[in-house]
Amino acid sequence: AAGVIQSPRHLIKEKRETATLKCYPIPRHDTVYWYQQGPGQDPQFLISFYEKMQSDKGSIPDRFSAQQFSDYHSELNMSSLELGDSALYFCAGAGGTNEQFFGPGTRLTVL
Amino acid sequence: GEDVEQSLFLSVREGDSSVINCTYTDSSSTYLYWYKQEPGAGLQLLTYIFSNMDMKQDQRLTVLLNKKDKHLSLRIADTQTGDSAIYFCAERVGSSYKLIFGSGTRLLVRP
Repeated sequence: AAGVIQSPRHLIKEKRETATLKCYPIPRHDTVYWYQQGPGQDPQFLISFYEKMQSDKGSIPDRFSAQQFSDYHSELNMSSLELGDSALYFCAGAGGTNEQFFGPGTRLTVL
Repeated sequence: GEDVEQSLFLSVREGDSSVINCTYTDSSSTYLYWYKQEPGAGLQLLTYIFSNMDMKQDQRLTVLLNKKDKHLSLRIADTQTGDSAIYFCAERVGSSYKLIFGSGTRLLVRP
């Protein structure tokens, strides 16, 4: 069965650079969530989308933005990267059930 | 507010049962989840329970929910070395159904 796809899996950037993370949920799953997991920490909710509209916003810095496209994939855009942005970024998709299906994550390292 | 707490570490001998505990604060949570995370890997959904249930069993996993005390536990029977991982409980909150995670319990299974 198809799973949630995230790309890239690993990303290395310098401070002040920009990064774009992509998430492809399971087909027909219309809701996407983004979470950030710092080293040794629990995942923290960043932002979510339902049917291409932002449905909720968590502790997402103003330097970050995201959107969901007509095919339900989502992109997280991160600008002016800081060392503290180094983390594992997960997206999860949902489609009318009680489960959120997580992708494998993108590991972002900011040098 | 929304807060989920877990004990940080649990060590058991192979073949014994493991019990991982979690407390949450949002009484409006309708679903509570247990995820497993192995080193450097993504979040694997193990099981979840609806808030009007007291118990759910799924093969070696048993979830107990005490809604009055806002206490959730995960029992793993016949724990194996492959069960060594970090276990997160999470509550589903808000109209967006975002997940609020606990800090994670690191389970170490000794041979």
